Amino acid sequence: QKEVEQDPGPLSVPEGAIVSLNCTYSNSAFQYFMWYRQYSRKGPELLMYTYSSGNKEDGRFTAQVDKSSKYISLFIRDSQPSDSATYLCARLSGSARQLTFGSGTQLTVLP
Amino acid sequence: DAGVTQSPTHLIKTRGQQVTLRCSPKSGHDTVSWYQQALGQGPQFIFQYYEEEERQRGNFPDRFSGHQFPNYSSELNVNALWLGDSALYLCASSLLSGGEQYFGPGTRLTVT
Repeated sequence: QKEVEQDPGPLSVPEGAIVSLNCTYSNSAFQYFMWYRQYSRKGPELLMYTYSSGNKEDGRFTAQVDKSSKYISLFIRDSQPSDSATYLCARLSGSARQLTFGSGTQLTVLP
Repeated sequence: DAGVTQSPTHLIKTRGQQVTLRCSPKSGHDTVSWYQQALGQGPQFIFQYYEEEERQRGNFPDRFSGHQFPNYSSELNVNALWLGDSALYLCASSLLSGGEQYFGPGTRLTVT
C-alpha cells in the first residue's frame, strides 16, 4: 500500500464549479499534509498545508484533514480556467522533512 | 530575488552514459533536496544535502549521487543511465530550521 494515494483523474469541470480533490494516507502518525499545484513544464508550488486534523481556508481554497478516516481533501470554489493544473497531495516526514507525494490529479477548468 | 534555478532545461542521453544536473537554491536557503518525477506520477524523494553532506536518502540506488558546494548550490549525478531514469528531476531548497520547500522548474532527462 502506498503511503499517500490520490484519485488519478483526470478531472474536467466547467468554470465556476466547486472542485473536490481527494487523497488517502496509510499511517495515522502522519500529521503534516500539503497540497501542491503544478502547471505544465513547471515545478510544484505550495498551495496550502495543514497540521493534524481540521480545516484550513485561504481564499477560494479549503484544505481538510479527517484523521479518523485518513482522508485529505482540497476544495476549490468558483473554479477558474487558470486553476487548470495538476494537484499533488503530500505528507511531510522524516529527519530531512522530505515530502511523499500522491500521484497527482490533473484538473481542467473549461471556460 | 531569483527563486530556485536548475540547468539544463532538457537533456537527452544514451543508456549507459552519465549525467550531471545542477541546482542553485533560493537566496538564503541552506538545504537542497532532489526529487524524481516520472511521467504521470508524483515526485519521489532522492536525497537531501545540508552543509555539503547527504542527510537523508530515499529508495534510490547508488548510481544516484550528489554534491553540495559551499555556496549551497548542488549537483545530482546519475551513472550508468537506464531507460527508466527518464523523468523530470526537481530540486527543492529550504532552510534546515524549517519552512516551505521551494521547487525549481526541473530538468527533463530523456534516456534513449
